[in-house]
Amino acid sequence: DTAVSQTPKYLVTQMGNDKSIKCEQNLGHDTMYWYKQDSKKFLKIMFSYNNKELIINETVPNRFSPKSPDKAHLNLHINSLELGDSAVYFCASTAGSYEQYFGPGTRLTVT
Amino acid sequence: AQSVTQLDSQVPVFEEAPVELRCNYSSSVSVYLFWYVQYPNQGLQLLLKYLSGSTLVKGINGFEAEFNKSQTSFHLRKPSVHISDTAEYFCAVSDPLTQGGSEKLVFGKGTKLTVNP
Repeated sequence: DTAVSQTPKYLVTQMGNDKSIKCEQNLGHDTMYWYKQDSKKFLKIMFSYNNKELIINETVPNRFSPKSPDKAHLNLHINSLELGDSAVYFCASTAGSYEQYFGPGTRLTVT
Repeated sequence: AQSVTQLDSQVPVFEEAPVELRCNYSSSVSVYLFWYVQYPNQGLQLLLKYLSGSTLVKGINGFEAEFNKSQTSFHLRKPSVHISDTAEYFCAVSDPLTQGGSEKLVFGKGTKLTVNP
């Protein structure tokens, strides 16, 4: 009964490919996020959705397109992958209490 | 814009010693403050948070932090660490006036705590 789950856990792909990462939360939260953690462990918010509506878009290249089919799911699709996209991507959710629950992360490696 | 500075990128300590991980924030408005822990190859877990009230906040695993508004600090402490506390620790700040999905966390760069036997 994992609260926030992500698939896949590891993703290795070549430059130029398109890939998706999926996130699901069973906490009943209204808000979900995507964060990127770079090789130096620095965490930065990418997007937030509230009830399927995009709220935050932090100047992320438009190759990244989040999609929220319902408030329990937030997927991240990445087109034309570049070497610099290699990172760990974390999904998180919150009920609005400012406590965010994080998924286990997806380690993306672009070769 | 809010920012968070974690002054030490790495802190090595011996088991059962006390530890303090330092965090300073920059904001002209009220803030909410958090400490998260990331164990190797895992996601982030909330250790503790300060929203309002008592400036001394107790969290899980014996950690505590003190909010100091005049020094804009939120240092994390533990009186006696264990090997299992070895992890990356992140301080984060959020704007309490945001809501409806705009509550974003701004993280510091992390402090790697290594507890040696």
